[in-house]
Amino acid sequence: EAQVTQNPRYLITVTGKKLTVTCSQNMNHEYMSWYRQDPGLGLRQIYYSMNVEVTDKGDVPEGYKVSRKEKRNFPLILESPSPNQTSLYFCASSQNLPQEQYFGPGTRLTVT
Amino acid sequence: SQQGEEDPQALSIQEGENATMNCSYKTSINNLQWYRQNSGRGLVHLILIRSNEREKHSGRLRVTLDTSKKSSSLLITASRAADTASYFCATNTDKLIFGTGTRLQVFP
Repeated sequence: EAQVTQNPRYLITVTGKKLTVTCSQNMNHEYMSWYRQDPGLGLRQIYYSMNVEVTDKGDVPEGYKVSRKEKRNFPLILESPSPNQTSLYFCASSQNLPQEQYFGPGTRLTVT
Repeated sequence: SQQGEEDPQALSIQEGENATMNCSYKTSINNLQWYRQNSGRGLVHLILIRSNEREKHSGRLRVTLDTSKKSSSLLITASRAADTASYFCATNTDKLIFGTGTRLQVFP
């Protein structure tokens, strides 16, 4: 089944404790992206990757890192999480940018 | 940077009625896409309309695009309770930018 998977689905952590949210797609897509969703603000793009080893900042990249060493994986790293990063995070992929995006199920992160 | 803005923010209708949501944007686009999100879940792609297209249909969905007015509309005909969800437009320029969404509630 074609899908985007994210892990973990739920995470509660404390300020400053490094964490990684994994994202994997099995559709051989070139383009992958991370979004955060907050009430009243819609989805905002954090980082995106047009292809392996190519990543670029979205609209809200501060406090996040990504890597794209393999086509299928695009982990999101929070080196020192802060409470303002409490949010619902989505990974998405598509064959290339103009085409429809496939979304993962989301990761609900709470930073205390 | 918010590109698309949906209107209304919330919409409540009875089953069987039509639901219309609008999206306005600011800059020229390559295409415009509509997505649905059931509460707290991942977004699901509904339809993509290219900048040189004016109207597109998919089942009970009808999307229009007016590039001169920089606006799009999504019409859901004969709505069902299962259509209850949030609907987002996303404009594609050099990246995909989502609006804040319309929350649709369909009552049985």
